[in-house]
Parts: sequence; C-alpha cells; structure tokens
Amino acid sequence: QVQLQESGPGLVKPSQTLSLTCTVSGGSISSGSYYWSWIRQPAGKGLEWIGRIYTSGNTNYNPSLKSRVTISVDTSKNQFSLKLSSVTAADTAVYFCARGTDSSGSYLFWGQGTLVTVSS
Amino acid sequence: DIVMTQSPDSLAVSLGERATINCKSSQSVLYSSNNKNYLAWYQQKPGQPPKLLIYWASTRESGVPDRFSGSGSGTDFTLTISSLQAEDVAVYYCQQYYSTPLFTFGPGTKVDIK
Repeated sequence: QVQLQESGPGLVKPSQTLSLTCTVSGGSISSGSYYWSWIRQPAGKGLEWIGRIYTSGNTNYNPSLKSRVTISVDTSKNQFSLKLSSVTAADTAVYFCARGTDSSGSYLFWGQGTLVTVSS
Repeated sequence: DIVMTQSPDSLAVSLGERATINCKSSQSVLYSSNNKNYLAWYQQKPGQPPKLLIYWASTRESGVPDRFSGSGSGTDFTLTISSLQAEDVAVYYCQQYYSTPLFTFGPGTKVDIK
C-alpha cells in the first residue's frame, strides 16, 4: 500500500519561499505510470490544484501559481518537493501531496496534509 | 480554464434517504476519442484528506460502498448516495482532469443528517 507523508516548516514569513517534501513509501516513486501532485486547501475552503510532476521530470503547473511554483522529484530518496516563492497570507493552507494516474486520471493516494501558515 | 460548479452548497438528508449532488463543468469533459468523461468525485471528512469515490464519472473505486454512484456526461454530472448513512456526513467534491495543465475542483457540497 502506497503511503505519502508531507514534511516541512509549518510557519513561513511573508515574501519567503515555502518548501515542502513528500516522502513516498510502500513503492518506488519511479515505478508505474503515475504523476505526483501538490494540492492545497485554505481553512474552511475548497481544494486548489497546484501542479504535478512525472518521474520523467515533466511538470504541469496551475497557471495562477506558475510564476512562483517549482515541483521537483528525487527518485533516489523516493521524494518529491514543492517550492512556492514570494508567499503571502493568501498562501496559508493545508498542503496535500497525492499520487495520480493517467489510467484513471484521479487521485487515489493522498498524504494526511500539512498546515503551512504565512505570518511574520 | 474549466470552471466547476456544484449544487447545492449543502443539504441535509434523513438517514436511509437519497442524497443527490450535482456538478457542472463550464465546458465538456468528455474526450471523444475514448468516450470517457474526465471527472472524479471525492469525499472529505474533517481533518482528513479527500477520499476517491468515483472516477471516469461513473466507475466506483474499489472498496467504495455501492450506495455511492456517479452519472452524467459532457458537462452535467451527479453523485448519488442511495441510502444515507451516518458515516457519509462529509463534504463532497467533483474534479475534472480533462484540462491540462489545470485540474480543477468544484467548491464542494456539505452533506449532513436531517
């Protein structure tokens, strides 16, 4: 059973860069036709898709965040990461990592989520 | 961008009764080459990540109770809970995965017990 776990600072100052890592266990991040995504959810609000990466390195980003987002993968550590630059209070949210698949196009496996607060 | 809307925002249903949630996309999510609707439904309970219920608009994920069903095509979709159970209290989201590079979610529908 694949498991995903987010990690990273819970507090980031405005204008700084938010950095999170998702560690995948129970399977190799490189195996299968999967993509690895970040999705966020402000408190009491809906889900916002941030982007995805294939282990080939191909990425897709939400156009509204594209100028600030970088998603990368480290197959040797079975991890993928999110960097979001120039953060503001509007970036405060629970950040989820998830695995998607082209065969179903949807997200079956999710991390538990990590709360990131942007505040000075 | 494909915009997803859901209705109602919330609903309260008696135990054992039917709950119906609607999802509408601003453009078709039906891919003509494979006749598949690129739409999924998720259930989210407080403090938990979303749980995949339905994909390809009507395919139930393994282990999901058969009281959950999805229907619709093109731009209009429905999630039906045929007999509401107490454990079904949650927020339900639809999501389109037709439009790369942006997969969008609906705003959610909260389901409660009447």
